[in-house]
Amino acid sequence: AQKITQTQPGMFVQEKEAVTLDCTYDTSDQSYGLFWYKQPSSGEMIFLIYQGSYDEQNATEGRYSLNFQKARKSANLVISASQLGDSAMYFCAMREQSAGGTSYGKLTFGQGTILTVHP
Amino acid sequence: EAEVAQSPRYKITEKSQAVAFWCDPISGHATLYWYRQILGQGPELLVQFQDESVVDDSQLPKDRFSAERLKGVDSTLKIQPAELGDSAMYLCASSLRLVSYNEQFFGPGTRLTVL
Repeated sequence: AQKITQTQPGMFVQEKEAVTLDCTYDTSDQSYGLFWYKQPSSGEMIFLIYQGSYDEQNATEGRYSLNFQKARKSANLVISASQLGDSAMYFCAMREQSAGGTSYGKLTFGQGTILTVHP
Repeated sequence: EAEVAQSPRYKITEKSQAVAFWCDPISGHATLYWYRQILGQGPELLVQFQDESVVDDSQLPKDRFSAERLKGVDSTLKIQPAELGDSAMYLCASSLRLVSYNEQFFGPGTRLTVL
């Protein structure tokens, strides 16, 4: 079963506007972490934001915020004031706690969403 | 700023040949990961090290892939023999410790093309 689902293969946004990239996840663990990464055409994966399953506040990092709805198992990324340089592939990822209680740290990624920012 | 180093950045090889990729994690990072990313998909973990020990290699095709991190610092991923389906980006990442909140820092990747 797919653990991370990103239903938007591609998204378009006008420069300076906000955009939301969707992510839903599936886990039976109580303790887990959710990450968003940006991958430009050059290929490197750039960490954007992290949300822990026990965090009560939504995570924010500059123009990035994570809309965490635990009951719905969703962790949407909101990018405010989009810039041309935001055009890239965006991946949602989850890290679960192992059954033995020790996190192995394995990240499970979604399929990604290609964001295009128009001038 | 500390970065994860990978080499080579690009590799073109013919099928049945051997290839090797190198990764040097951020200094002090105990955990090292190798991911494979097929074009248009998200990365998938191949192998994970904690210091010099393998923590998870359940997705590593062990008949042709091998990975080592002998001194618990840099790591080598080898494919022998390479197959057409191995064409992908190979990403190395490292994190400080083996806990869920530690972010993983990725290197620039090695883009492999098997002809």
